[in-house]
Amino acid sequence: GQQLNQSPQSMFIQEGEDVSMNCTSSSIFNTWLWYKQDPGEGPVLLIALYKAGELTSNGRLTAQFGITRKDSFLNISASIPSDVGIYFCAGQQGDSWGKLQFGAGTQVVVTP
Amino acid sequence: EAGVAQSPRYKIIEKRQSVAFWCNPISGHATLYWYQQILGQGPKLLIQFQNNGVVDDSQLPKDRFSAERLKGVDSTLKIQPAKLEDSAVYLCASSLGTSGRLNEQFFGPGTRLTVL
Repeated sequence: GQQLNQSPQSMFIQEGEDVSMNCTSSSIFNTWLWYKQDPGEGPVLLIALYKAGELTSNGRLTAQFGITRKDSFLNISASIPSDVGIYFCAGQQGDSWGKLQFGAGTQVVVTP
Repeated sequence: EAGVAQSPRYKIIEKRQSVAFWCNPISGHATLYWYQQILGQGPKLLIQFQNNGVVDDSQLPKDRFSAERLKGVDSTLKIQPAKLEDSAVYLCASSLGTSGRLNEQFFGPGTRLTVL
């Protein structure tokens, strides 16, 4: 089963608000990736993190690699309607030969 | 640069029938992955290829699922015979390699399979 605990499961927010979600695990990861999936499409890579403590931005998105290497956070600032979708965290462990473990996703709904 | 291509996009079959999915990765990507995504869940890795060799197939139900990547480029995933619980989206992804930035995986649009 999945080892990554992603929360919240869903969020209903108003346009312009900020969004925060996180992913935690009991295991250490070397890489954290954040993806967004629109209905009927495959996940699209948003941000990749490679070092503990790393903070990386992509437009209005900011993600952090937790100091303990067991968690990661994604923030979306000033949400807009096109931010609607499901956001997934994914982590790679050191000995996994590229295998990613995914969280169950956070569904974001933005209302005008 | 062209992305990961998958076909068909949708497939409806009856249980016990067979089905096959095709994937063409991004040009130059040595690593290819097949994931199963059940509704409401994140993708789960089924099988991983490095060039034309299998790296990880530990979660592939080998009694009914098979996959190949004969020339190290495109790949097919087959289910024979299908069960109701195989209804899911099958995603193909590719990456340059397996560690660090080389493991940034790019996904195709997926094939939505419905087993009746």
